[in-house]
Amino acid sequence: SQTIHQWPATLVQPVGSPLSLECTVEGTSNPNLYWYRQAAGRGLQLLFYSVGIGQISSEVPQNLSASRPQDRQFILSSKKLLLSDSGFYLCAWSVLVGGDYGYTFGSGTRLTVV
Amino acid sequence: AQTVTQSQPEMSVQEAETVTLSCTYDTSENNYYLFWYKQPPSRQMILVIRQEAYKQQNATENRFSVNFQKAAKSFSLKISDSQLGDTAMYFCAFPFTDKLIFGTGTRLQVFP
Repeated sequence: SQTIHQWPATLVQPVGSPLSLECTVEGTSNPNLYWYRQAAGRGLQLLFYSVGIGQISSEVPQNLSASRPQDRQFILSSKKLLLSDSGFYLCAWSVLVGGDYGYTFGSGTRLTVV
Repeated sequence: AQTVTQSQPEMSVQEAETVTLSCTYDTSENNYYLFWYKQPPSRQMILVIRQEAYKQQNATENRFSVNFQKAAKSFSLKISDSQLGDTAMYFCAFPFTDKLIFGTGTRLQVFP
């Protein structure tokens, strides 16, 4: 079966500290991978997406970066967190099979920068 | 530009009643998919229903159905026999060039 793992579930980090959120998928090959951020009570903002290993597209200029070192691993990073980086981060993957799109989301990481 | 608009920030409905959430979108594509996602307080994103643009028949999943008007670029979600567990944020979404674009969401509260 196809599953997605995202960790940690919650994180409290001081301003200026580094960040690393990891997402891995199982049960599929060569998926498209995405990082979204959701501010409290708001919609989902696409931050990064990747169509293959080492291929990262950034949607919004910001303090964050993403990497895809393996086909089914997607990492969101920051060298120095800002207060404005607080939010709920969701990893997702999609694959087009036989013309049918499927998108699956991880359980999310609640990041609080203090 | 591809956009998704949900004009109802909040809605409420009494248990067992029917409610309709609105969504409009803009695209120059002819074949595409449209999705409704539910985000309960746990914040897990759950796919509610999916519509393929080339299918004229409206999608239905149990108590959830859509009214898809391709010419008007409208994709509304109807929830019948509302239940307390339907309380959540609902997002309309549209995939464009491998990216899933979301509306701003509608917060639905179901009252007993």
